[in-house]
Amino acid sequence: GAVVSQHPSRVICKSGTSVKIECRSLDFQATTMFWYRQFPKQSLMLMATSNEGSKATYEQGVEKDKFLINHASLTLSTLTVTSAHPEDSSFYICSATPSGGVTGELFFGEGSRLTVL
Amino acid sequence: SQKIEQNSEALNIQEGKTATLTCNYTNYSPAYLQWYRQDPGRGPVFLLLIRENEKEKRKERLKVTFDTTLKQSLFHITASQPADSATYLCALPFSGGYNKLIFGAGTRLAVHP
Repeated sequence: GAVVSQHPSRVICKSGTSVKIECRSLDFQATTMFWYRQFPKQSLMLMATSNEGSKATYEQGVEKDKFLINHASLTLSTLTVTSAHPEDSSFYICSATPSGGVTGELFFGEGSRLTVL
Repeated sequence: SQKIEQNSEALNIQEGKTATLTCNYTNYSPAYLQWYRQDPGRGPVFLLLIRENEKEKRKERLKVTFDTTLKQSLFHITASQPADSATYLCALPFSGGYNKLIFGAGTRLAVHP
């Protein structure tokens, strides 16, 4: 199956700093990628839809100035958590569907565990 | 708004038995429904997709049913093995959102030897 890679898998940062998480589709092109956040024992919550070459679409309640998304190429989307605070500590997961691929089937990255001290 | 409900309690079963997980949804008529497996600290892995015009779908030891009248999907693992222990997530597409998925909270399955 298609492979999605996330980096870093774990990151610890101080409060107030910014953290960038990369999501790459390794063997396919993806015009659209999705960013999810998951708190312990909770469901995945969709944060935003990343669109190649255009602005991301954010879900209600997600601050676009805090969670900056850039989808500069057909294989790379980045999520930058700006001025991170302890409440931003979470598991961030990206997903993608091959352009022209099977309806709905998403391929997920391994996730990035962010801990803000 | 769309709502997905999965049994939040863990399901404990004996190896070799059939595990059955439930996914109920409301305020919605999805074109398809998906099931994913998630291991601790990992991203979800796609298992099966079933469309609204399909009542049942199988893949090896997995079987999914989709009852659009009851607004329910059942996910079965036959001849379960300890390696099947994981959290299983039900997912539906956002209304009007192609490929955007909303996930249930998941049910943790533990298969004991």
